[in-house]
Amino acid sequence: DAKTTQPPSMDCAEGRAANLPCNHSTISGNEYVYWYRQIHSQGPQYIIHGLKNNETNEMASLIITEDRKSSTLILPHATLRDTAVYYCIVRVRGKLIFGQGTELSVKP
Amino acid sequence: GAGVSQTPSNKVTEKGKYVELRCDPISGHTALYWYRQSLGQGPEFLIYFQGTGAADDSGLPNDRFFAVRPEGSVSTLKIQRTERGDSAVYLCASSSRAVETQYFGPGTRLLVL
Repeated sequence: DAKTTQPPSMDCAEGRAANLPCNHSTISGNEYVYWYRQIHSQGPQYIIHGLKNNETNEMASLIITEDRKSSTLILPHATLRDTAVYYCIVRVRGKLIFGQGTELSVKP
Repeated sequence: GAGVSQTPSNKVTEKGKYVELRCDPISGHTALYWYRQSLGQGPEFLIYFQGTGAADDSGLPNDRFFAVRPEGSVSTLKIQRTERGDSAVYLCASSSRAVETQYFGPGTRLLVL
């Protein structure tokens, strides 16, 4: 079973920041949080991951709460091409356990 | 560099037939994973290899499903006596080691009629 909970859908205006929440209250101390996205008919695309510190790369920022029970993916300036299903995932002993994800719609 | 490739991109077969799906990982990646994605669902783990051996096959649904990676590079997922419920997108991913980031291929869309 998935170890994460996400809202099923969200909207965001083009050019604004998209903040996607995720709950992972049962995460263990050595389990990483990964974010992937999937655009229709394509394979999942890696975005970012973290253990307990906040992380930033060229695509996004990941904010993990101090108790590690939740995290937020931030796309700082969403574009129409960011419309996709975003998966928050806990990696368990090598394998990724996907949930249902959040369908993000970026609107002009 | 080249990413993960999967062949065929689409496969249509009849119920009861045997199919093979191929995955070419990123060069040098020692870990390889298979996932299955049904319509409207997130990908579901099937099996992963570290080198030539299956490190975790707990996601294989039944004994009709089998996967091999004989030389530690290319992998083949084999499905015997296909059923209509096997229709899905089969995704392959690879990583430099089992604890590193997984990179996915485009998937093979299997349709069992």
